[in-house]
Amino acid sequence: QQQVKQSPQSLIVQKGGISIINCAYENTAFDYFPWYQQFPGKGPALLIAIRPDVSEKKEGRFTISFNKSAKQFSLHIMDSQPGDSATYFCAASTAGNQFYFGTGTSLTVIP
Amino acid sequence: GAGVSQSPSNKVTEKGKDVELRCDPISGHTALYWYRQSLGQGLEFLIYFQGNSAPDKSGLPSDRFSAERTGESVSTLTIQRTQQEDSAVYLCASSPLGSNTGELFFGEGSRLTVL
Repeated sequence: QQQVKQSPQSLIVQKGGISIINCAYENTAFDYFPWYQQFPGKGPALLIAIRPDVSEKKEGRFTISFNKSAKQFSLHIMDSQPGDSATYFCAASTAGNQFYFGTGTSLTVIP
Repeated sequence: GAGVSQSPSNKVTEKGKDVELRCDPISGHTALYWYRQSLGQGLEFLIYFQGNSAPDKSGLPSDRFSAERTGESVSTLTIQRTQQEDSAVYLCASSPLGSNTGELFFGEGSRLTVL
C-alpha cells in the first residue's frame, strides 16, 4: 500500500516556467513532509521540508504548499532552470522515524 | 569523507548467489535506513535501525533479505539466493537522533545486477 501518492510521474517544463509536483497522504499521524532531489548516480538529498503547523514554506525558488484538511502537499519550482532537471521525491514521516516516499517525478527543464 | 559511504558501488552477480552490501553511516547518527530503488520506481523501505531498539524489518520483501548493524556503526544488507527481480539500487541513509529536521542523509547507493 502506497502511503504517499505522487504525481505526475514525469514533467517537462520550459526554462523560466513553473514546475509543480503534487503529493497526497492518508495517515494523519504524519508530522514531517520533506522533498528530496536526486541527480543521476547520486543519492537523494533534502531539498526543503515542512511541518503541518504551517501552510507554506519558501526557500529561494522552491516552495512547499501544504493543505492539512485535504491531506495534500505540493512542490513549486519557480523560474525553473535546466540545472533543476532531476528526480524529485516527496515523503512523509512520524516523529522523524519511519519515512514513506512517493514514487518520484522526473523533471526535465528544456533550455 | 563525512558522508554516508556504501560499498560496493556496483555488483554483478549470478542468480542464486548471495551478496552483501555495506553501509557506513555518518559518525554519531543513530538511525540507519535501507531503501531499494528499482528502475523507474520510488524508494521502497526495507529496514530501519534506531540505536539499541529492535529494528523495524517490516519492509523486507522476503526471508532471503536480512540486515545487521553493529551498535551505531556499520550495517550490512545480505541477500541470499539472489533473483533477477532483486536487481536494483540499494540506498542507505542515516539520521541523527533527536534531529528537529528529521533529515535523512543518503549514500550514493549500491547498484546490484543479477544475471
